[in-house]
Amino acid sequence: QQQVKQSPQSLIVQKGGISIINCAYENTAFDYFPWYQQFPGKGPALLIAIRPDVSEKKEGRFTISFNKSAKQFSLHIMDSQPGDSATYFCAARSKTGANNLFFGTGTRLTVIP
Amino acid sequence: DADVTQTPRNRITKTGKRIMLECSQTKGHDRMYWYRQDPGLGLRLIYYSFDVKDINKGEISDGYSVSRQAQAKFSLSLESAIPNQTALYFCATRETGMGTDTQYFGPGTRLTVL
Repeated sequence: QQQVKQSPQSLIVQKGGISIINCAYENTAFDYFPWYQQFPGKGPALLIAIRPDVSEKKEGRFTISFNKSAKQFSLHIMDSQPGDSATYFCAARSKTGANNLFFGTGTRLTVIP
Repeated sequence: DADVTQTPRNRITKTGKRIMLECSQTKGHDRMYWYRQDPGLGLRLIYYSFDVKDINKGEISDGYSVSRQAQAKFSLSLESAIPNQTALYFCATRETGMGTDTQYFGPGTRLTVL
């Protein structure tokens, strides 16, 4: 059972456009929500993260919006660039046990010049 | 040099063979993880280790075993490989602290089981 549901599976955006990737969860025992970026042939790398006590976090062109009541969070990439073309994974950290991360299924973003 | 290295980077093997994937890190982190990545399924946790004497099963440990030889080394074994273990495998370390929780992934091993 997928703990974190991610959509869309793939996304094509024109250069300069806004890319939006959505994630949703059911389990309320999550306390940290990171996004990881993966380029072809590389391992994922932390991009940006948010805690549930804030509704938005912005780092440069990347913004996480978090809706605690809806159990949803999303990544917005403003002014998308071809260099942003990668696979993006959302994740949620469990509050209990080993505090492991549960990853979404990934979104392959292609930014067309 | 890369902080988290994995060997081999690519491996093709046959059903029933024993395979070992190796991971080394120079980050000095105690926590290490093995994940597999499959299209449409994302990253799923196989095993994790908090130190040399603390090894735990993840979501999908059946068919896999691990060994933590030292703080810096964490190996994943497939005792008898089967085709549905064909996947991309990642090792990761984890750093937690004041406001920080970051996993550092290796470059991955692409395993094909024929």
